[in-house]
Amino acid sequence: QLQLQESGSGLVKPSQTLSLTCEVSGGSIIGGYSYFWIRQPPGKHLEWIGYTFYTGAADYNPSLKSRVTISVDRAKNQFSLELKSVTAADTAVYYCAREIVRLKAFDIWGPGTLVTVSS
Amino acid sequence: DIQLTQSPSFLSASVGDRVTITCRTSQDINTDLAWYQQHPGKGPKLLIYGASTLQAGVPSRFSGSRSGGEFTLTISGLQPEDFATYFCQQRNSYPPEITFGQGTRLEI
Repeated sequence: QLQLQESGSGLVKPSQTLSLTCEVSGGSIIGGYSYFWIRQPPGKHLEWIGYTFYTGAADYNPSLKSRVTISVDRAKNQFSLELKSVTAADTAVYYCAREIVRLKAFDIWGPGTLVTVSS
Repeated sequence: DIQLTQSPSFLSASVGDRVTITCRTSQDINTDLAWYQQHPGKGPKLLIYGASTLQAGVPSRFSGSRSGGEFTLTISGLQPEDFATYFCQQRNSYPPEITFGQGTRLEI
């Protein structure tokens, strides 16, 4: 059974770069799926950040596009998120998730990791 | 942008009850809607996709339906492990857009 696990810094200073990695275990990053980053700020609902494919092609939420880079490393079986110039508004639980492209639904999620932006 | 309006935000029920959660869309999304369950501190779990197709391994007491722009998740015969937060999600391909409902917290 494929599993996802987020890792990275839980505390980031304002104006710095948030970096997270999603490790894929029990399977490989392959076609037919898209690999997402999604976040949930405290008291708010889920917001998609962006996604990548096994080819490395990526797309982003227009509201975050200028600050986000998502990349894939198939050799390490992981994909990553970088969010630049963070503010307190970027404090959230960050999830990685796999979408079945044909079904337009997320069949596997990581447990999530809390990232706090604070000096 | 497509908006999803989920209701109710909070639902109190008992073991054995039948409950219904609704998600209304601001535009036609065909049947491209999914439902998830989330327990505190855990990642969401896919319950239903395509508005009404049960994900493998999900108990049959969960069901989904669609009537125009209104989508419904029904849980028949609540079990103790069903007390969680539920939310809906839609996916538009071009331009790429993913929207989540606000969530429904189901409590005893």
